[in-house]
Amino acid sequence: NAGVTQTPKFQVLKTGQSMTLQCAQDMNHNSMYWYRQDPGMGLRLIYYSASEGTTDKGEVPNGYNVSRLNKREFSLRLESAAPSQTSVYFCASSELGGMIQETQYFGPGTRLLVL
Amino acid sequence: GENVEQHPSTLSVQEGDSAVIKCTYSDSASNYFPWYKQELGKRPQLIIDIRSNVGEKKDQRIAVTLNKTAKHFSLHITETQPEDSAVYFCAASRGNAGNMLTFGGGTRLMVKP
Repeated sequence: NAGVTQTPKFQVLKTGQSMTLQCAQDMNHNSMYWYRQDPGMGLRLIYYSASEGTTDKGEVPNGYNVSRLNKREFSLRLESAAPSQTSVYFCASSELGGMIQETQYFGPGTRLLVL
Repeated sequence: GENVEQHPSTLSVQEGDSAVIKCTYSDSASNYFPWYKQELGKRPQLIIDIRSNVGEKKDQRIAVTLNKTAKHFSLHITETQPEDSAVYFCAASRGNAGNMLTFGGGTRLMVKP
């Protein structure tokens, strides 16, 4: 099993450009998450999908949209990138989802630089 | 919403010494507290977690303690080794929909040989 995979690994954008970060998991997990990681601020939740067909806002959703394409895939879209969105983006998944408190498995991350 | 503070932000210890990282949380309804380890350039990985019905949990050289009254929890690493060098994150969850985790700011642990 590959676990959680993310593409691309690294991306440079100009202010105002759009892009989609892709995430897929092959563990048949129900829940998927998108986090951003900034120095000194830990990981902050952008959006999550507790199960296929549902998405909800996390702590810092402004400027982002998500799509739970199917049970395996969860994408994050930046419609008009801003320098403040320069960050490392991590996708994660967990098995049961819902209100179950369980391990979250992270992908390798996407490093995004917005100029 | 929940706020998790983590201290210290950096910690340097000699190999073989113990390391302690502390976190405080604000939401008294939080009841699940995982710790993640992130090596340089790698993804975060769960190393241990504790639930609010337990005061302490151990796994080999790693232990976590929880004080619900004071709303703080700590990670203890004994007999540290160079491979323990990494950034450690604490987190808290109240078991709401989506198992949302609020993370602390991280502690960079350096173990000197």
